[in-house]
Amino acid sequence: NAGVTQTPKFQVLKTGQSMTLQCAQDMNHEYMSWYRQDPGMGLRLIHYSVGAGITDQGEVPNGYNVSRSTTEDFPLRLLSAAPSQTSVYFCASSQGTGGFGNTIYFGEGSWLTVV
Amino acid sequence: GDSVTQMEGPVTLSEEAFLTINCTYTATGYPSLFWYVQYPGEGLQLLLKATKADDKGSNKGFEATYRKETTSFHLEKGSVQVSDSAVYFCALRIQGAQKLVFGQGTRLTINP
Repeated sequence: NAGVTQTPKFQVLKTGQSMTLQCAQDMNHEYMSWYRQDPGMGLRLIHYSVGAGITDQGEVPNGYNVSRSTTEDFPLRLLSAAPSQTSVYFCASSQGTGGFGNTIYFGEGSWLTVV
Repeated sequence: GDSVTQMEGPVTLSEEAFLTINCTYTATGYPSLFWYVQYPGEGLQLLLKATKADDKGSNKGFEATYRKETTSFHLEKGSVQVSDSAVYFCALRIQGAQKLVFGQGTRLTINP
């Protein structure tokens, strides 16, 4: 029962470096998304995808890129890391494309620190 | 816009105490409501959900009732355990929308 798998779990970056957070799900879910979690702010949506080849922006997309070449994978790229991107990142997926009551399942999170 | 407001934390209780974590929402459409839990060092897990007014979600001794008249979804447990120590998030999802809207989270600590 893999569910939603994120890698790496922990990462330290220097300002200006680039990296990719990986996310994979084995539930054949159409909908995948990335959130960031910051203290006192809950989780905020970065980008989402409703199927292979289709992506769109969420609330806080600046500084991040995504692509969806397969149903299973939804990587998040930081092009030039900034200290403001220090956060915990969660990948999530669900069946359907926002269907009423569809449960969204989360990965275990990736703790990113930018110094 | 859509928003979720949770009870301010942190909350500290003794084992076997009664727990209530308040959650109220504002929604432009008709939402489904969720409680997620995050144990230390782990990701978010769905605790319970309710998809229509007066539904009661329950799991692991926790309950929450979807109250449309008061736009609330308060989380309750009759007797908490040390293992319930975690951060609890209330969230909503509007039908057809592509995201969950989260409250700020409430950190719960249970002392033996």
